[in-house]
Amino acid sequence: DIQMTQSPSVLSASVGDRVTLNCKASQNINKYLNWYQQKLGEAPKLLIYNTNNLQTGIPSRFSGSGSGTDYTLTISSLQPEDVATYFCFQHNSWLTFGSGTKLEIK
Amino acid sequence: QVQLKESGPGLVQPSQTLSLTCTVSGFSLTSNSVHWVRQPPGKGLEWVGAIWSGGSTDYNSALKSRLSISRDTSKSQVFLKMNSLQTEDTAIYFCTRGLAGSPDYWGQGVMVTVSS
Repeated sequence: DIQMTQSPSVLSASVGDRVTLNCKASQNINKYLNWYQQKLGEAPKLLIYNTNNLQTGIPSRFSGSGSGTDYTLTISSLQPEDVATYFCFQHNSWLTFGSGTKLEIK
Repeated sequence: QVQLKESGPGLVQPSQTLSLTCTVSGFSLTSNSVHWVRQPPGKGLEWVGAIWSGGSTDYNSALKSRLSISRDTSKSQVFLKMNSLQTEDTAIYFCTRGLAGSPDYWGQGVMVTVSS
């Protein structure tokens, strides 16, 4: 099975900061990488699919990039409503979630 | 609009079988897959399994021996059955619509507690 490692596990940043979350696969996943946002007490929401495609209705401050085994979610200007846990997810070979990055406001 | 709603017992005794139903609307089970994902309290997400638009299924290898996913397309329902439940199966169970092989829309989830 493909293992997905997210870093950092907790990230604290200020409103307006540019924030980068990382996800590393144990083998090449050919850009079949999604990002989900989960706010406390809610179901996850799809933000980005297949590395860099913004899901309908998601603000443009969210973007994704990467290839091979290394992928990134970037928030260009952190907003208070972005406080959440972010999970990466690969669907190249079977399906696996990362362990999550908890994003907090300083 | 796309909607999914999970239903089932909130409490299951150890060694018993869990049966959950996902009722969907706004899309067809013959056009989209449905996935089950679970989340133990305070922990991360785990993909459980999926039933594809053609009716075939795939399961998490760690759960495969205990798991069955089926559907009734006439009722727009997907079913999850997991046997030999243990306390570590305590989790919120989500059903999700699949688009191009991965979850997009999610249900609100149902909390399942395994306890005597």
